[in-house]
Amino acid sequence: GEDVEQSLFLSVREGDSSVINCTYTDSSSTYLYWYKQEPGAGLQLLTYIFSNMDMKQDQRLTVLLNKKDKHLSLRIADTQTGDSAIYFCAESSTGGSYIPTFGRGTSLIVHP
Amino acid sequence: SQTIHQWPATLVQPVGSPLSLECTVEGTSNPNLYWYRQAAGRGLQLLFYSVGIGQISSEVPQNLSASRPQDRQFILSSKKLLLSDSGFYLCAWSVGGSNTEAFFGQGTRLTVV
Repeated sequence: GEDVEQSLFLSVREGDSSVINCTYTDSSSTYLYWYKQEPGAGLQLLTYIFSNMDMKQDQRLTVLLNKKDKHLSLRIADTQTGDSAIYFCAESSTGGSYIPTFGRGTSLIVHP
Repeated sequence: SQTIHQWPATLVQPVGSPLSLECTVEGTSNPNLYWYRQAAGRGLQLLFYSVGIGQISSEVPQNLSASRPQDRQFILSSKKLLLSDSGFYLCAWSVGGSNTEAFFGQGTRLTVV
Protein backbone atom coordinates (compact mmCIF):
# COMPACT_ATOMS: atom_id res chain seq x y z
CA GLY A 1 0.00 0.00 0.00
CA GLU A 2 0.94 3.64 -0.25
CA ASP A 3 2.96 5.31 2.46
CA VAL A 4 1.22 8.64 2.08
CA GLU A 5 -2.48 8.92 1.24
CA GLN A 6 -4.67 11.85 0.39
CA SER A 7 -8.00 12.39 -1.29
CA LEU A 8 -7.85 13.14 -5.00
CA PHE A 9 -10.23 16.07 -5.33
CA LEU A 10 -11.55 19.02 -3.36
CA SER A 11 -13.90 21.68 -4.64
CA VAL A 12 -14.52 24.92 -2.73
CA ARG A 13 -16.08 28.28 -3.32
CA GLU A 14 -13.91 31.37 -3.57
CA GLY A 15 -13.54 33.00 -0.16
CA ASP A 16 -14.19 29.80 1.78
CA SER A 17 -11.54 27.84 3.65
CA SER A 18 -10.04 24.72 2.10
CA VAL A 19 -8.82 21.80 4.16
CA ILE A 20 -6.69 19.16 2.49
CA ASN A 21 -6.00 16.03 4.50
CA CYS A 22 -3.19 13.51 4.40
CA THR A 23 -2.30 10.37 6.32
CA TYR A 24 1.06 8.66 6.44
CA THR A 25 2.34 5.38 7.79
CA ASP A 26 5.99 5.94 8.64
CA SER A 27 6.17 6.60 12.37
CA SER A 28 9.75 7.77 12.00
CA SER A 29 8.78 10.58 9.65
CA THR A 30 10.80 13.60 10.60
CA TYR A 31 9.64 16.26 8.19
CA LEU A 32 6.22 16.61 6.61
CA TYR A 33 5.69 18.84 3.60
CA TRP A 34 3.04 20.41 1.47
CA TYR A 35 3.91 21.08 -2.15
CA LYS A 36 1.87 22.91 -4.78
CA GLN A 37 1.85 22.06 -8.47
CA GLU A 38 0.33 24.45 -10.94
CA PRO A 39 -0.72 23.12 -14.38
CA GLY A 40 2.18 21.94 -16.52
CA ALA A 41 4.81 22.91 -13.96
CA GLY A 42 7.02 21.30 -11.36
CA LEU A 43 6.29 21.18 -7.66
CA GLN A 44 7.06 24.01 -5.30
CA LEU A 45 7.30 23.75 -1.55
CA LEU A 46 4.49 25.60 0.21
CA THR A 47 5.34 24.83 3.79
CA TYR A 48 6.70 22.11 6.02
CA ILE A 49 6.47 21.05 9.63
CA PHE A 50 8.79 19.15 11.92
CA SER A 51 7.36 16.05 13.50
CA ASN A 52 7.76 17.54 16.98
CA MET A 53 5.35 20.36 16.16
CA ASP A 54 1.56 20.35 16.27
CA MET A 55 0.82 23.40 14.22
CA LYS A 56 2.47 25.85 11.92
CA GLN A 57 0.90 28.99 10.51
CA ASP A 58 2.15 30.99 7.56
CA GLN A 59 -0.15 33.78 6.38
CA ARG A 60 -3.22 32.05 4.88
CA LEU A 61 -1.77 28.59 5.41
CA THR A 62 -2.18 26.53 8.57
CA VAL A 63 -0.64 23.09 8.92
CA LEU A 64 -1.91 20.77 11.64
CA LEU A 65 -0.11 17.59 12.61
CA ASN A 66 -1.59 14.80 14.71
CA LYS A 67 1.40 12.58 15.20
CA LYS A 68 -0.53 9.96 17.15
CA ASP A 69 -2.94 9.42 14.26
CA LYS A 70 -0.30 10.18 11.61
CA HIS A 71 -2.59 12.79 10.13
CA LEU A 72 -1.53 16.02 8.47
CA SER A 73 -3.78 18.74 7.15
CA LEU A 74 -3.37 21.96 5.20
CA ARG A 75 -5.89 24.71 5.69
CA ILE A 76 -6.03 27.57 3.21
CA ALA A 77 -8.01 30.53 4.49
CA ASP A 78 -9.93 32.79 2.11
CA THR A 79 -9.28 30.49 -0.84
CA GLN A 80 -8.74 32.29 -4.14
CA THR A 81 -8.99 31.09 -7.74
CA GLY A 82 -5.20 31.33 -7.91
CA ASP A 83 -5.03 28.60 -5.29
CA SER A 84 -6.43 26.10 -7.80
CA ALA A 85 -3.67 23.52 -8.20
CA ILE A 86 -2.64 20.04 -7.14
CA TYR A 87 -1.40 19.84 -3.55
CA PHE A 88 0.99 17.08 -2.56
CA CYS A 89 1.63 15.85 0.91
CA ALA A 90 5.11 14.38 1.45
CA GLU A 91 7.22 12.99 4.25
CA SER A 92 10.84 12.15 4.75
CA SER A 93 12.75 10.45 7.52
CA THR A 94 16.22 9.42 8.46
CA GLY A 95 15.17 5.80 8.17
CA GLY A 96 14.10 6.42 4.61
CA SER A 97 17.44 7.94 3.65
CA TYR A 98 15.77 11.35 3.58
CA ILE A 99 14.03 10.49 0.33
CA PRO A 100 10.71 12.33 0.18
CA THR A 101 7.69 10.13 -0.33
CA PHE A 102 4.73 11.82 -1.94
CA GLY A 103 1.03 11.23 -1.82
CA ARG A 104 -1.03 11.13 -5.01
CA GLY A 105 -1.92 14.77 -4.79
CA THR A 106 -5.23 16.53 -4.17
CA SER A 107 -6.66 18.60 -7.00
CA LEU A 108 -8.12 21.76 -5.47
CA ILE A 109 -10.73 23.45 -7.63
CA VAL A 110 -11.84 26.91 -6.58
CA HIS A 111 -14.99 28.21 -8.22
CA PRO A 112 -16.54 31.68 -8.00
CA SER B 1 21.68 30.37 -5.70
CA GLN B 2 20.76 26.90 -6.78
CA THR B 3 18.90 26.15 -9.99
CA ILE B 4 17.71 23.02 -11.70
CA HIS B 5 17.36 22.63 -15.44
CA GLN B 6 15.40 19.91 -17.12
CA TRP B 7 14.92 19.42 -20.84
CA PRO B 8 13.20 19.06 -23.16
CA ALA B 9 9.94 20.51 -21.92
CA THR B 10 7.84 18.41 -24.26
CA LEU B 11 8.63 15.35 -26.33
CA VAL B 12 6.64 13.16 -28.71
CA GLN B 13 8.29 9.87 -29.50
CA PRO B 14 7.16 6.76 -31.40
CA VAL B 15 6.87 3.41 -29.68
CA GLY B 16 10.17 1.55 -29.76
CA SER B 17 12.32 4.65 -30.05
CA PRO B 18 15.01 5.54 -27.48
CA LEU B 19 14.70 8.21 -24.82
CA SER B 20 17.12 10.54 -23.12
CA LEU B 21 15.99 13.20 -20.65
CA GLU B 22 18.60 15.35 -19.02
CA CYS B 23 18.63 17.21 -15.74
CA THR B 24 21.38 19.41 -14.35
CA VAL B 25 21.69 21.25 -11.07
CA GLU B 26 23.73 24.37 -10.44
CA GLY B 27 24.92 26.00 -7.28
CA THR B 28 25.25 22.99 -5.02
CA SER B 29 27.53 20.01 -4.58
CA ASN B 30 26.78 16.35 -3.99
CA PRO B 31 23.01 16.71 -4.11
CA ASN B 32 20.55 13.86 -3.90
CA LEU B 33 18.94 13.59 -7.33
CA TYR B 34 15.58 12.11 -8.20
CA TRP B 35 13.46 11.19 -11.20
CA TYR B 36 9.72 11.08 -10.64
CA ARG B 37 6.94 10.24 -13.05
CA GLN B 38 3.51 11.72 -12.77
CA ALA B 39 0.95 9.72 -14.72
CA ALA B 40 -2.65 10.84 -14.95
CA GLY B 41 -4.53 9.91 -11.80
CA ARG B 42 -1.54 8.12 -10.29
CA GLY B 43 0.25 10.84 -8.43
CA LEU B 44 3.99 11.19 -8.15
CA GLN B 45 5.95 7.98 -8.48
CA LEU B 46 9.64 7.83 -7.57
CA LEU B 47 11.54 6.10 -10.38
CA PHE B 48 15.20 6.54 -9.46
CA TYR B 49 17.30 8.33 -6.92
CA SER B 50 20.99 8.92 -6.60
CA VAL B 51 23.10 9.92 -3.62
CA GLY B 52 26.34 10.23 -5.59
CA ILE B 53 28.10 9.84 -8.92
CA GLY B 54 27.44 6.42 -10.40
CA GLN B 55 25.10 5.48 -7.54
CA ILE B 56 21.62 4.79 -8.80
CA SER B 57 18.76 3.17 -6.93
CA SER B 58 15.69 2.01 -8.77
CA GLU B 59 12.33 2.06 -7.07
CA VAL B 60 10.23 0.32 -9.69
CA PRO B 61 11.06 -2.30 -12.33
CA GLN B 62 10.55 -0.99 -15.84
CA ASN B 63 12.25 -0.40 -19.15
CA LEU B 64 13.75 2.88 -17.98
CA SER B 65 17.23 3.44 -16.62
CA ALA B 66 19.08 6.33 -15.05
CA SER B 67 22.67 7.43 -14.95
CA ARG B 68 24.65 10.04 -13.09
CA PRO B 69 27.83 10.64 -15.05
CA GLN B 70 28.67 13.83 -13.16
CA ASP B 71 27.87 15.14 -9.70
CA ARG B 72 25.11 17.46 -10.88
CA GLN B 73 23.84 15.64 -13.94
CA PHE B 74 21.10 13.06 -13.93
CA ILE B 75 19.91 11.33 -17.10
CA LEU B 76 16.79 9.23 -17.63
CA SER B 77 16.95 6.82 -20.55
CA SER B 78 15.16 4.07 -22.35
CA LYS B 79 16.27 1.86 -25.21
CA LYS B 80 12.73 1.22 -26.45
CA LEU B 81 9.77 3.29 -25.34
CA LEU B 82 6.38 1.78 -24.59
CA LEU B 83 3.01 3.51 -24.80
CA SER B 84 2.77 3.20 -21.03
CA ASP B 85 5.88 5.37 -20.65
CA SER B 86 3.83 8.45 -21.51
CA GLY B 87 3.63 10.87 -18.63
CA PHE B 88 5.09 13.92 -16.98
CA TYR B 89 8.65 13.37 -15.80
CA LEU B 90 10.07 15.48 -13.03
CA CYS B 91 13.66 15.79 -11.94
CA ALA B 92 14.37 17.01 -8.43
CA TRP B 93 17.26 17.53 -6.06
CA SER B 94 17.70 17.91 -2.34
CA VAL B 95 20.62 18.52 -0.02
CA GLY B 96 22.36 15.21 0.53
CA GLY B 97 22.05 13.57 3.93
CA SER B 98 19.40 15.80 5.41
CA ASN B 99 15.68 16.26 5.65
CA THR B 100 15.15 19.33 3.54
CA GLU B 101 12.80 20.27 0.80
CA ALA B 102 13.14 18.88 -2.70
CA PHE B 103 13.53 21.34 -5.55
CA PHE B 104 11.84 20.39 -8.78
CA GLY B 105 12.51 21.08 -12.41
CA GLN B 106 9.72 22.23 -14.66
CA GLY B 107 9.09 18.74 -15.98
CA THR B 108 9.06 17.01 -19.35
CA ARG B 109 5.77 16.03 -20.94
CA LEU B 110 6.48 12.77 -22.81
CA THR B 111 3.92 11.39 -25.21
CA VAL B 112 4.64 8.03 -26.76
CA VAL B 113 2.64 7.46 -29.95
